[in-house]
Amino acid sequence: KAGVTQTPRYLIKTRGQQVTLSCSPISGHRSVSWYQQTPGQGLQFLFEYFSETQRNKGNFPGRFSGRQFSNSRSEMNVSTLELGDSALYLCASSLVTGGGNPYGYTFGSGTRLTVV
Amino acid sequence: AQSVTQLGSHVSVSEGALVLLRCNYSSSVPPYLFWYVQYPNQGLQLLLKYTSAATLVKGINGFEAEFKKSETSFHLTKPSAHMSDAAEYFCAVSDSGTSGTYKYIFGTGTRLKVLA
Repeated sequence: KAGVTQTPRYLIKTRGQQVTLSCSPISGHRSVSWYQQTPGQGLQFLFEYFSETQRNKGNFPGRFSGRQFSNSRSEMNVSTLELGDSALYLCASSLVTGGGNPYGYTFGSGTRLTVV
Repeated sequence: AQSVTQLGSHVSVSEGALVLLRCNYSSSVPPYLFWYVQYPNQGLQLLLKYTSAATLVKGINGFEAEFKKSETSFHLTKPSAHMSDAAEYFCAVSDSGTSGTYKYIFGTGTRLKVLA
């Protein structure tokens, strides 16, 4: 069965621009989480969506936002890009949400965003 | 507060030698524990998980991990390292449900280098 699909794989943007990243979860998974990965900060949780509702949010500024559609596909948006937003953005899908997830995540290959 | 500590950000082993990657967790309730592997420019892949069944868990690629409650540890091992094991490994913990609050925490990762 198809895995988690993230598009695009690579993106170069200029400071001040905005960007939208897309994630299609595994069929049947209704939870989609987003992570930012950088060499200095490691994996940092951005937010999680389940059945079109944001269930949890990490400690990121309001420039980072997301949404989930009725087919469970999710998008994240970053406005007014800064150099420090350069990172690998990972999407992960899961069967369940909330505390106590015994299933783990299936990750996409990520979107490499470079801000210049 | 829930946390995950991975001892050693970099570990080097010779090909054929034992691989031991350390993970300690703190959790107020019995957790679910996971190990993930990440190859360069890829997402994370689930290696194995502990969900309160057997304390010794076998995963893919010959890896296994043992849950030791008394030591709050979940170390990852492989009897004989292969060159293809070179990657970054992440330990993660998910609380087994605390009023639905989302608690899924990743460690900072251990980069494994395999020497020929």
